[in-house]
Amino acid sequence: AQSVTQLDSQVPVFEEAPVELRCNYSSSVSVYLFWYVQYPNQGLQLLLKYLSGSTLVKGINGFEAEFNKSQTSFHLRKPSVHISDTAEYFCAVSKIQGAQKLVFGQGTRLTINP
Amino acid sequence: DAGVIQSPRHEVTEMGQEVTLRCKPISGHNSLFWYRQTMMRGLELLIYFNNNVPIDDSGMPEDRFSAKMPNASFSTLKIQPSEPRDSAVYFCASSSHLQGSGNTIYFGEGSWLTVV
Repeated sequence: AQSVTQLDSQVPVFEEAPVELRCNYSSSVSVYLFWYVQYPNQGLQLLLKYLSGSTLVKGINGFEAEFNKSQTSFHLRKPSVHISDTAEYFCAVSKIQGAQKLVFGQGTRLTINP
Repeated sequence: DAGVIQSPRHEVTEMGQEVTLRCKPISGHNSLFWYRQTMMRGLELLIYFNNNVPIDDSGMPEDRFSAKMPNASFSTLKIQPSEPRDSAVYFCASSSHLQGSGNTIYFGEGSWLTVV
């Protein structure tokens, strides 16, 4: 089975500051990795995903994430955040072989202060 | 293109009543997922379908919950009878399933259920 741990439930940062949201996963098989964002009262939207190749993945809204296989991590980063980035962020994994279902972490609430 | 469409967006019902949530996946997608989101348990997969066939329903909490997908463009999640602990946001999602392709799973806006 797969599991995902998001190490911070809440992250407050000031506007224009850099941010890193941490994600670690556990799996006995190879996985794909995803970050989704959920704005208040909305569904989940894909930010970025890692399937293979370069371990640095760029996504929408200036976010990027780096896959580190030895540390089983997939941390999300943005060099300068905006008020509009206030949302809940979810890390997720799915098996490469077999069922495509996503297993989510508990989420990290990112709050941007002016 | 229309995304995943869910209805109703919001529902308030009394304990014991039947609740039916509806989902129209993205046209051409052949995998459909029902997730539930609560503060306590986060996002949980309830059930998913491939080509209208239920593949894994191990996340369905109990017999009060049932899901159907009579055709490629429609699915329902039914709770009968409903209980206050069923209050949650229920998300439907779909993808174009090709094994090993890592295709994106697209989510609807959710159905916000409150059982009083």
